Amino acid sequence: DGGITQSPKYLFRKEGQNVTLSCEQNLNHDAMYWYRQDPGQGLRLIYYSQIVNDFQKGDIAEGYSVSREKKESFPLTVTSAQKNPTAFYLCASSNDRGNHPIGYTFGSGTRLTVV
Amino acid sequence: GENVEQHPSTLSVQEGDSAVIKCTYSDSASNYFPWYKQELGKRPQLIIDIRSNVGEKKDQRIAVTLNKTAKHFSLHITETQPEDSAVYFCAASMEGVTGGGNKLTFGTGTQLKVEL
Repeated sequence: DGGITQSPKYLFRKEGQNVTLSCEQNLNHDAMYWYRQDPGQGLRLIYYSQIVNDFQKGDIAEGYSVSREKKESFPLTVTSAQKNPTAFYLCASSNDRGNHPIGYTFGSGTRLTVV
Repeated sequence: GENVEQHPSTLSVQEGDSAVIKCTYSDSASNYFPWYKQELGKRPQLIIDIRSNVGEKKDQRIAVTLNKTAKHFSLHITETQPEDSAVYFCAASMEGVTGGGNKLTFGTGTQLKVEL
């Protein structure tokens, strides 16, 4: 469904715990992105990667980390330094070649809750 | 960086009426403006997009207009139907710019409700 898979669908984190959200795509897209969605705030960019082994901070990177060891995978770790991690996390990918890329394809999201 | 503002935050229309959602952007270098529809509990889906070399684009009941001088763009939905009820997001990015990729800056969303 859409070629981009996020897991798990729901995740519960205890205080002080690191958790990792998975994002895998089989669309052969170069670029991948992580967004956080909170009610009334739209989608805010956490990290993005245009190519394997390279990634850049977005607008709200503090308390998060990523890796891009494979083209297909872009996992997001929510660390204990993120003080308010409860949110809906969306991963996306796009074809970043040339000047007219295809728009984003989104995953189905992971809802993270701190317990 | 880019900043995108979106209005209104909620919009309620009667079935069959038109709906208009407006967005403004801050960076004059932005040249790609997609719109996404997100139904409850689902992922955002691209419904239409426009690039800065055109002023208007239509796809059946959906149209988008762009005013580069004023730095605003709008989504128009005609003959609204209950299945149009969803959250709509506008976004902006700079295509073809190395180092920035095509990362999108999103508006805060509009909850559209089409009432019978």
